[in-house]
Amino acid sequence: GQNIDQPTEMTATEGAIVQINCTYQTSGFNGLFWYQQHAGEAPTFLSYNVLDGLEEKGRFSSFLSRSKGYSYLLLKELQMKDSASYLCAVLDSNYQLIWGAGTKLIIKP
Amino acid sequence: GAVVSQHPSRVICKSGTSVKIECRSLDFQATTMFWYRQFPKQSLMLMATSNEGSKATYEQGVEKDKFLINHASLTLSTLTVTSAHPEDSSFYICSARAPGGMSEQYFGPGTRLTVT
Repeated sequence: GQNIDQPTEMTATEGAIVQINCTYQTSGFNGLFWYQQHAGEAPTFLSYNVLDGLEEKGRFSSFLSRSKGYSYLLLKELQMKDSASYLCAVLDSNYQLIWGAGTKLIIKP
Repeated sequence: GAVVSQHPSRVICKSGTSVKIECRSLDFQATTMFWYRQFPKQSLMLMATSNEGSKATYEQGVEKDKFLINHASLTLSTLTVTSAHPEDSSFYICSARAPGGMSEQYFGPGTRLTVT
């Protein structure tokens, strides 16, 4: 079966750095997405990785290792507004998004 | 960037009635739209994939006669929840994928449905 694992919840301090991991086992791979979702709102796109390596976009970076079925989202200089759920999703061989359950990130002052 | 709208944003209806939710891609043509449902503290659950001009493909366990999807144009898809029951209360989110290019999905703001 297809499976995506990410931690349920993480806590970090304002101004610090946090890494959210995602491991996946899917039928085929056409890219991995990270989305941010604030409570009661729809997800917003953060990043897309299809090749191995690190993609940096401002305070957020995303890493992918296809051979390990592993990705992480790195958030630097954390701000209170970064408190949200972070969803990892993999595009499988049918170009269907397979979603992780999301990681709730709590930022403390 | 690509914008997807949903209407209504919130709806409260009585048990047994039907509710229609609209999803529109405002500045691009979406050949494929997706309907998701999300219960509190849970991840997105894909309900169905709709392609313009053809019948929607429903995920296992989703009743096609209860959740009617129509994708009549390249910018509009509708989800009708028929004979709604309290257990249908949820956050319904649509997304749209533009033809060609990266397969990113652009999400609508969601519709909060409460069935009393």
